[in-house]
This record gives sequence, C-alpha cells and structure tokens, in this order.
Amino acid sequence: DAKTTQPPSMDCAEGRAANLPCNHSTISGNEYVYWYRQIHSQGPQYIIHGLKNNETNEMASLIITEDRKSSTLILPHATLRDTAVYYCIVRVAPNSNSGYALNFGKGTSLLVTP
Amino acid sequence: KAGVTQTPRYLIKTRGQQVTLSCSPISGHRSVSWYQQTPGQGLQFLFEYFSETQRNKGNFPGRFSGRQFSNSRSEMNVSTLELGDSALYLCASSLDQGASYGYTFGSGTRLTVV
Repeated sequence: DAKTTQPPSMDCAEGRAANLPCNHSTISGNEYVYWYRQIHSQGPQYIIHGLKNNETNEMASLIITEDRKSSTLILPHATLRDTAVYYCIVRVAPNSNSGYALNFGKGTSLLVTP
Repeated sequence: KAGVTQTPRYLIKTRGQQVTLSCSPISGHRSVSWYQQTPGQGLQFLFEYFSETQRNKGNFPGRFSGRQFSNSRSEMNVSTLELGDSALYLCASSLDQGASYGYTFGSGTRLTVV
C-alpha cells in the first residue's frame, strides 16, 4: 500500500472550514484514498473515500488532485466535536483476496477551538 | 442497529497471565479485524477473520491469536502477557463488499498489564 504523509497537528476555529492535507505521491492507479478519524478514547470512524473524483457526503468533502498524488479532506463548518485525530489511508479496494487490513499511520491531530 | 460490541471495556492483568477479548460484529457483517493501539506505535493491524478463517495477519508474535465463530463473533487471545501488551484493543467489522463500505469499529477493550 502507498505511504501517506500528513502534518502532525492543525488548529481550526469553530465554524470555519478545516482543510486537512495528505500526500501520497506513490499511489497506484488502483488504490483508493480513505479517511478515518478517531475521537479520544473511541474507535476510529469512517469518514469518506475516493479513487480520483472529488467526493462529498454528509460529513465531509474529499478533493483529490488530478495526478492523485495528494488529497484534502474538508470539514466545511468545523465544530468542537470534530476535534480528533484524522487518518489518511491509501490502499487497494478491500475484497476477499486483498483483505481488510488498514495501515493507519500517525494521522493529523485536529484541534477545533471556540 | 447495534454497533460493534467489545467486552470487557477494561481489564487489568498480571505479567505472565493470559487474556481473552471478545468482539460481536454488526449483524450481517462477516469480516472481523483486530487492531492494537499504543501511544508509541499507534494503531497496528493484528489479524482479520472471515467465515471462521484467518485471512490476514499483522506482524505480531505468536502469543497473539484469534478465532471467529460461525455467528461471526470473534475472540482474540494473548498468552504470557508482557507489560508492553498494555494497549487499547479495537475490533472492526465489515460487510465484505469492497471499497464502497468502510469498517465499523467498536469502542475497544483497554488492557493494562501490571
């Protein structure tokens, strides 16, 4: 699976957009970008994933550059409850052959302040 | 619907003892994965089970083992506990239908070895 690079920490003011970057310059054509987050003392929570098109759901938007070497997770209106560690993971689509292991890395610790 | 249930939530054991942790996946989910989380190493993949068979295994010693039952419930066992085994152990389940689905994690079992 491709390696990812994320900043160790970021701050964001409540109500503003939080833009979390992720570099994955060695990503392969069949690898997806997944984002999870972990709020303190809880299990990780799936946020969103994408292959090459931008994606949006009720939680966030995922912007993937045209060359797919980097992506940005956008939380449009951050709240205090969005304070968490955010993980960017790149891997092939999980299936019965490839399995379901996730390589979480260190992630970005996002602090949303009042 | 009920989420992923892990029991017990907290556990204190003595070095040299063994421990068994339990995970009940979301109804209908057939894939169950286990992760260890420590402050130093972060989230690390232990193993994954599907239809009572271990499909993937992480880089952990043989003291760590697991199994899955016909109802998809899973247990993991750690024998001859060491102080370094103190960690949050997380279980995740999946529908096993490819990239469209993320994993759902439980809240974890926090194991302390003294």
